[in-house]
Amino acid sequence: TQLLEQSPQFLSIQEGENLTVYCNSSSVFSSLQWYRQEPGEGPVLLVTVVTGGEVKKLKRLTFQFGDARKDSSLHITAAQPGDTGLYLCAGGSGGYQKVTFGIGTKLQVIP
Amino acid sequence: GAVVSQHPSRVICKSGTSVKIECRSLDFQATTMFWYRQFPKQSLMLMATSNEGSKATYEQGVEKDKFLINHASLTLSTLTVTSAHPEDSSFYICSASRGNSPLHFGNGTRLTVT
Repeated sequence: TQLLEQSPQFLSIQEGENLTVYCNSSSVFSSLQWYRQEPGEGPVLLVTVVTGGEVKKLKRLTFQFGDARKDSSLHITAAQPGDTGLYLCAGGSGGYQKVTFGIGTKLQVIP
Repeated sequence: GAVVSQHPSRVICKSGTSVKIECRSLDFQATTMFWYRQFPKQSLMLMATSNEGSKATYEQGVEKDKFLINHASLTLSTLTVTSAHPEDSSFYICSASRGNSPLHFGNGTRLTVT
């Protein structure tokens, strides 16, 4: 069974601060996705990374896929209250379809 | 806009009754849909893979007779929780894929069994 560990599980920060959340596994993934989930809603895809060492930027969010494709990080610069939510990483093997989800990082950005 | 629609968003039912949840892909044909379950403070756990025109593939530990999945068309999959019990209360989410592309998720169904 492929497991994805996310850390920290909970994070509460002030508006304007920077933060990094991590997604780690002992397994190699062919792709890794990051999702954001609001309470009572389904996850919304933020980014997909597929190449070891790949870095993708989405406005204030920077995503990195580890060289060995076993881990990933999400860095948010100057966090805003609108960034509040549950951030989930999901690893796929052999395509995007069947993925394994991490437990998530619950982020709260305080105005 | 949403590409996967899930209905209902919330449902409350009595113990022993059955509940059907629908998952529709709105503007694409989804040969494969997935059903997940999410408990509070936990991640999404894959329950089953729904294949159009064939039987669903269930993950280990998921009772196929309790969670009936039907994928009758390329745009609709249904999950029926049969003889629901309070421990079945959870957040159920479906997803669909356009071929080899990232998943699109429905907005989930909050099931409460009293």
